[in-house]
Amino acid sequence: DIQMTQSPSTLSASVGDRVTITCRASQSINSWLAWYQQKPGKAPKLLIYKASSLESGVPSRFSGSGSGTEFTLTISSLQPDDFATYYCQQYNSNSWTFGQGTKVEIK
Amino acid sequence: QVQLVQSGAEVKKPGASVKVSCKASGYTFTDYYMHWVRQAPGQGPEWMGWINPNNGGAKYAQRFQGRVTMTRDTSLSTAYMELSRLTSDDTAVYYCARARLGIAASGQPFDYWGQGTLVTVSS
Repeated sequence: DIQMTQSPSTLSASVGDRVTITCRASQSINSWLAWYQQKPGKAPKLLIYKASSLESGVPSRFSGSGSGTEFTLTISSLQPDDFATYYCQQYNSNSWTFGQGTKVEIK
Repeated sequence: QVQLVQSGAEVKKPGASVKVSCKASGYTFTDYYMHWVRQAPGQGPEWMGWINPNNGGAKYAQRFQGRVTMTRDTSLSTAYMELSRLTSDDTAVYYCARARLGIAASGQPFDYWGQGTLVTVSS
């Protein structure tokens, strides 16, 4: 199975900060990577697919980049609604694997 | 609007089975793969498998092979996930999630999710 490793596990930031989260795959997944946002007690919400494509309705302050084994999610200016846990997900092979998550906390 | 509505919370004893339902509305049920994902307390999501609602074909994650069965009832636009031989490690929130693109597309992320069903396994 392809393993996904996110860093950092926790990130403390302030409103207005630029935030970057990294996700590494244990083998190449081309651009078959998605990012999700999850708030407590809620289902994950799709933000980015195919590494850099913004899902409809998602604010443009979210962006994704990368290919192969290394990927990043960037929030250009952190807003109060963005404090949540973020997960990457690979969907390259006919299996799907998530990272362990990055919790974005208020500094 | 697309909605996935799951059945309510369950409490089961070790060794028992649980069956969770996921009723879809707002789109053609047979046009999109349905996946099942679980999330143990404090952990990341874990993919369990998918079902093709059009023909009933299913693929399961290796670690659940032999213990999970995914089915559907097209007349009810409902998908089901049954997990047997439960242990305390199966305590988690179970989600159904729709693949982003239709049946003709290969592996896709998940654009709509159910609200989750908490399954607690305890003696």
